Formats: sequence, structure tokens, C-alpha cells
Amino acid sequence: ETGVTQTPRHLVMGMTNKKSLKCEQHLGHNAMYWYKQSAKKPLELMFVYSLEERVENNSVPSRFSPECPNSSHLFLHLHTLQPEDSALYLCASSQDAGATGYEQYFGPGTRLTVT
Amino acid sequence: SQQGEEDPQALSIQEGENATMNCSYKTSINNLQWYRQNSGRGLVHLILIRSNEREKHSGRLRVTLDTSKKSSSLLITASRAADTASYFCATDPSGYSTLTFGKGTMLLVSP
Repeated sequence: ETGVTQTPRHLVMGMTNKKSLKCEQHLGHNAMYWYKQSAKKPLELMFVYSLEERVENNSVPSRFSPECPNSSHLFLHLHTLQPEDSALYLCASSQDAGATGYEQYFGPGTRLTVT
Repeated sequence: SQQGEEDPQALSIQEGENATMNCSYKTSINNLQWYRQNSGRGLVHLILIRSNEREKHSGRLRVTLDTSKKSSSLLITASRAADTASYFCATDPSGYSTLTFGKGTMLLVSP
């Protein structure tokens, strides 16, 4: 899958570390998303960006800080995380986040473990 | 809050059989989407069905939508071992692509 790439694929970090997840889409899309997938819980939408502006923030703790410098790149900056933040973090993109609904294309995810 | 709820949670069938998964949701929607996820990897979009559509086909996949019952079903015909994956429905209430996913149905297709 080369449409949406994520790095790193695996990350282990301590609770006092600062790290960043990177997502890049090569599809010419205007909207990008961060999701969290924990064991035994539904996939949770964290952030939505449309044309580099944040349009949705689903009450995510401030220890997660997104950044969208352009429509092709999306970052998730992490600091002072908790063990319960261990999860698979998925990035997705879609043509737009407009009022007609579009399918989303997902990256392979970053498996994060907080120790 | 969780919108889509898939049923069953797990399904085990033999190759060649058909697999049916159901999704129920609570509020009105603009569209409903089905995704597949192979173990611990990214999701792959399968089908998007809009609220004014009743049925859609894509290859061996058939999706139905009943807005009066707030339910959808995904049928995979002539299943293959490669269809083994988790299948999720996702509802889009507004059309602004803020999807809410269910917990998924885990499908196992045995050779």
C-alpha cells in the first residue's frame, strides 16, 4: 500500500518521552484523519483536518498534539503519555471532508507501546 | 458514542460458503461504509452506500441498507481463505466524513 504511508511502524516510548508519528498521503486528497484503535474498543476518531485546518477534535487529551503543515502530511506529536495510550494509531485520507461523504484510505498504522 | 454495531462478533465458515454480517445504528446517516482489516493492519475501504440507496454490489460483495430499520448487511459470496479479516461498518451522520465505527465482525474462512 503506497497511497498512505506511516512512520514509524512500531514505537516503544517511556511516559516521559516526546515522540512524533508521521503520515503522508500520495493521493492528492484534501482531508486527513488520525484514529486510535485499542484492543476490544471500536476505532476512535481523534482529529480531522480539511485543507490543513483542524475541523474536528474529539475531546482528545492535550498530550496528543496534531500538526498538518500541508494537505499531504500529518503529524501526531506525543508527550507524557500513559500506558493506556498504547494502541494502533491509524492515519487516513479522503478526497475531501465535504458534505457528500467520501471513502477513506488508511495507512498501515503505528503500533505504539507506552512503558 | 458508538454508532454502528456489527453482528455477529465472530463468524467461522468454509471456503465457498457465503458470509453475512449485519450492522445496526442509532441515528440518521448520510452514508454508511464497510471496511476490512487484516490482523493489526490498516483498514481497506470496501463499499460506500448512501442513505437514498438500498443495495450496492462490488464483485463478490453485496451491501444492503434499510434506513427505516437503521440496519445494513454485508454479504460476501463464494468466500475464500483470503477473505479472513475483521469487517467494520462505519456511519457518517452528516456527510462530513466524521466516521463512527463499530467493534467489527471477525470472519474466519477455512480452506
